[in-house]
Amino acid sequence: DADVTQTPRNRITKTGKRIMLECSQTKGHDRMYWYRQDPGLGLRLIYYSFDVKDINKGEISDGYSVSRQAQAKFSLSLESAIPNQTALYFCATSDPDRGTNVLTFGAGSRLTVL
Amino acid sequence: ELKVEQNPLFLSMQEGKNYTIYCNYSTTSDRLYWYRQDPGKSLESLFVLLSNGAVKQEGRLMASLDTKARLSTLHITAAVHDLSATYFCAVDWANAGGTSYGKLTFGQGTILTVHP
Repeated sequence: DADVTQTPRNRITKTGKRIMLECSQTKGHDRMYWYRQDPGLGLRLIYYSFDVKDINKGEISDGYSVSRQAQAKFSLSLESAIPNQTALYFCATSDPDRGTNVLTFGAGSRLTVL
Repeated sequence: ELKVEQNPLFLSMQEGKNYTIYCNYSTTSDRLYWYRQDPGKSLESLFVLLSNGAVKQEGRLMASLDTKARLSTLHITAAVHDLSATYFCAVDWANAGGTSYGKLTFGQGTILTVHP
């Protein structure tokens, strides 16, 4: 089983619909992240969480919300999806106790908003 | 605001040739990461560079970090087709005291294609 699991892997939805992307991890890491990837823009940070009670906005949080249900689970919601939220979304975790912030990524969730 | 810029964004190489990808960043940091992404896949960590002058090598790839110039390079030696992928650098943003904020800012990515 993957260390970081994202569901769904692919989703097509319509403008105005509510969408939730889920992420679970078995690495036991406290830190979890949601990134968005767009061609030519690299990965941009949406939200990050250093523990269950510590959630922070990233570079592009407008239009998104998150929930950290447990150490192992971090979900991303789009309350009312719009076409420019069409992108590839990655969940990631890291363990700062190792002295670095190397991210372990999930396989990605491809979202298309029509 | 931390900016991370890679160049070139597209790199078409012949097998056997050498080339370098550059990663410039705009503010203080002594932690830089390189990742590889194969088409349709996730990102995997290649190198972690944790101090000025750090150099890491794995196979045909070598990464280095110059924190004073705010520059990291990824050098490709004698390229082979299997190296075709997108390469990202990412910077761990730190404050003036060197404390990491624990979040990475990524460059745009360099799409590398190696031809026979």
